[in-house]
Amino acid sequence: AQKVTQAQTEISVVEKEDVTLDCVYETRDTTYYLFWYKQPPSGELVFLIRRNSFDEQNEISGRYSWNFQKSTSSFNFTITASQVVDSAVYFCALSLGETSGSRLTFGEGTQLTVNP
Amino acid sequence: GAGVSQSPRYKVAKRGQDVALRCDPISGHVSLFWYQQALGQGPEFLTYFQNEAQLDKSGLPSDRFFAERPEGSVSTLKIQRTQQEDSAVYLCASSLAWSSPQHFGDGTRLSIL
Repeated sequence: AQKVTQAQTEISVVEKEDVTLDCVYETRDTTYYLFWYKQPPSGELVFLIRRNSFDEQNEISGRYSWNFQKSTSSFNFTITASQVVDSAVYFCALSLGETSGSRLTFGEGTQLTVNP
Repeated sequence: GAGVSQSPRYKVAKRGQDVALRCDPISGHVSLFWYQQALGQGPEFLTYFQNEAQLDKSGLPSDRFFAERPEGSVSTLKIQRTQQEDSAVYLCASSLAWSSPQHFGDGTRLSIL
């Protein structure tokens, strides 16, 4: 069975600091997808990124960057120069191949608080 | 709107009552998912539809939970004889295809008294 672990329950930083959110996953499948979602206080889960298991290239989107390392089964998320609006709960998630219907398995989430 | 729409936003029911939660996915999205999110935890999978076919219901916690999507668009999650442990946020998500990112609604916060 697959599993996603986000060891950091809560992180608090001061605005403009860089912060990295850790995600470790477990699966025996060779084909899978990894995701990050943001959940602000309003409750809606906002899609941030998807990576497939065959693409280990790191990705940067503005202040966001993602580091995918299959060797350590990790998919970490870094926010550069954090802002107060980044405060939210962030979830890492995993889905398997087509035969599994792509249901998402979520981690427990990391509550990020960015203080002014 | 263009997003996933869920109603009601909040639902309070007495223990033992039946409730029905509605999800209106993004137009044209083939796949539809229901998740349950307890306070302070990550969402957990309940069930999955591809068009009108319910392909996976392995996450439904008991036979009191029932979901349908009769015409392949709107879906309803029904909980019969509600119990206090059913209190949670119920999230609906839709995606264009099985491998596409899932887009979530705001959820229905269900409180059982």
